[in-house]
Amino acid sequence: EPEVTQTPSHQVTQMGQEVILRCVPISNHLYFYWYRQILGQKVEFLVSFYNNEISEKSEIFDDQFSVERPDGSNFTLKIRSTKLEDSAMYFCASSVGTRVYEAFFGQGTRLTVV
Amino acid sequence: DQQVKQNSPSLSVQEGRISILNCDYTNSMFDYFLWYKKYPAEGPTFLISISSIKDKNEDGRFTVFLNKSAKHLSLHIVPSQPGDSAVYFCAATGSARQLTFGSGTQLTVLP
Repeated sequence: EPEVTQTPSHQVTQMGQEVILRCVPISNHLYFYWYRQILGQKVEFLVSFYNNEISEKSEIFDDQFSVERPDGSNFTLKIRSTKLEDSAMYFCASSVGTRVYEAFFGQGTRLTVV
Repeated sequence: DQQVKQNSPSLSVQEGRISILNCDYTNSMFDYFLWYKKYPAEGPTFLISISSIKDKNEDGRFTVFLNKSAKHLSLHIVPSQPGDSAVYFCAATGSARQLTFGSGTQLTVLP
């Protein structure tokens, strides 16, 4: 069964450092998403991406965040200068069409900012 | 912002009995509702969904009920099995291309 894969599974970084979280969406999917879940809190929408540009973003997705599809297979989330409060599970998801409810989620990357 | 609420953080049921997980929402613009299941160290996995034009959708042991007037939905699992033990998230979406999740309910099915 096709799946969304995320690397690394766990990333520890120092406050202020840049971090890049990587995702390989399902190959024929066209819409890509990032969500995050701070420990003990809800899964929250960050951003959706289609046709090499951001479709929607939440208030969380400020100037510290950026997304990119650098090579046609990877979909990355960059946090420019990490803060302690960026520590969370980050989930990538992809869908073949515009219906977000048909999205498949990856297993997540646990980001720990120290 | 509590647009989707799951008021029970945990639920324990005996194997073979019914599990009922509840979810309330406040945003009238939501028109599609979903349940996701999540195991530790995995991403959310889609379980079942319902459109706002329906009041019930069934898939095997899983049934979702929607009461639009009460802005309430529930997930019924019958019969419950130990492998159903997981965190269950309710989610909703409207015209925006994003999901709004509840806080989750940890279901434990006791053998």
